[in-house]
Amino acid sequence: QQQVKQSPQSLIVQKGGISIINCAYENTAFDYFPWYQQFPGKGPALLIAIRPDVSEKKEGRFTISFNKSAKQFSLHIMDSQPGDSATYFCAASRNGGSQGNLIFGKGTKLSVKP
Amino acid sequence: DSGVTQTPKHLITATGQRVTLRCSPRSGDLSVYWYQQSLDQGLQFLIQYYNGEERAKGNILERFSAQQFPDLHSELNLSSLELGDSALYFCASSVGRSSNSPLHFGNGTRLTVT
Repeated sequence: QQQVKQSPQSLIVQKGGISIINCAYENTAFDYFPWYQQFPGKGPALLIAIRPDVSEKKEGRFTISFNKSAKQFSLHIMDSQPGDSATYFCAASRNGGSQGNLIFGKGTKLSVKP
Repeated sequence: DSGVTQTPKHLITATGQRVTLRCSPRSGDLSVYWYQQSLDQGLQFLIQYYNGEERAKGNILERFSAQQFPDLHSELNLSSLELGDSALYFCASSVGRSSNSPLHFGNGTRLTVT
């Protein structure tokens, strides 16, 4: 069964610290790995995404690291701020076909303490 | 604001009843996805429509059905409701037919079955 395993389930970080969330996948056919951010009462919103032809992608304080051989990818939030407190979901999908839908991890609830 | 509109925001109904959830995708988006979010299962893909036709099917129960209309809005019908159907139901839209393009989520419909 296609799965994306995400850890930790919850994370508390001090303001200014680095938040790290990890995900592992099984299906080597996956070729798109986005991260979504969800605030309470809102739907998930795309934060950053990576494809397996690169090992790292950075957008502002957010960085995805991708390890194709280990089938793992992670989200790093540098200089974490209280406004970053939200639930983060990793996801994976493969292009094309009837199975081309996003498989989400179960989420990580991040709390950034001031 | 993602541009995806879901109605109603909240729905409370009794077991055995039938409800309809509505979604208007972002202008220009041809794909509509439905996801179910519960505490223990996370975000589960239910079904995708692309330009009026069913594109992909996930963990959707036989009691559930969906359709996408010519104006591209979509409806998710849930029948013979059970307590376990209580969850947040999200609609998302994207430009293309593949989930490798960014998904834009609405703010969800919270369904409570009593």
